[in-house]
Amino acid sequence: GENVEQHPSTLSVQEGDSAVIKCTYSDSASNYFPWYKQELGKRPQLIIDIRSNVGEKKDQRIAVTLNKTAKHFSLHITETQPEDSAVYFCAATASTGNQFYFGTGTSLTVIP
Amino acid sequence: ETGVTQTPRHLVMGMTNKKSLKCEQHLGHNAMYWYKQSAKKPLELMFVYNFKEQTENNSVPSRFSPECPNSSHLFLHLHTLQPEDSALYLCASSLYPGTNTEAFFGQGTRLTVV
Repeated sequence: GENVEQHPSTLSVQEGDSAVIKCTYSDSASNYFPWYKQELGKRPQLIIDIRSNVGEKKDQRIAVTLNKTAKHFSLHITETQPEDSAVYFCAATASTGNQFYFGTGTSLTVIP
Repeated sequence: ETGVTQTPRHLVMGMTNKKSLKCEQHLGHNAMYWYKQSAKKPLELMFVYNFKEQTENNSVPSRFSPECPNSSHLFLHLHTLQPEDSALYLCASSLYPGTNTEAFFGQGTRLTVV
């Protein structure tokens, strides 16, 4: 099955700086890579996703990059704000599979 | 609201009790999932249902028993739990499992076993 690894497990940045979270996957059949944000006491919610036919996707301050050859994808948050503080999960899934495989999560703290 | 509703939001139960968690979605999704989220641990997939059929059982102890009577409802029946089963139990749904579509999560049931 798929194995998704996520780094770092914790990340602290100053407000206004950028944050980068990296994930690797093992199954070359994986073709959909969502990122979820989970604020304290709340449900995980999708913030951005990327499909294997695209190398990069951007939505305002958030961007995701995908390197299919190296089997890794990254989340980039620019101009971080305190409300970006949360746990972020990456995931991978294949259209031939039957589940989402999640990374172990990154706890991001943005220091005002 | 994402369209996935879980009840109850909080549950405290003794080790000899029997209780059930409920999950409901009206998004027209055909796949539903149970995840366990413990403090400082990753999301652990427990069960996957696709068109009401269980397609994944991730080595979950038999004290957890899922039930999926239709594509909109998913239950997790609990009996003789252990204190280490205390966690946030999240339900999720997606249009189909393993396809390029978003998984929507419920708000979870915070379970405490005493």
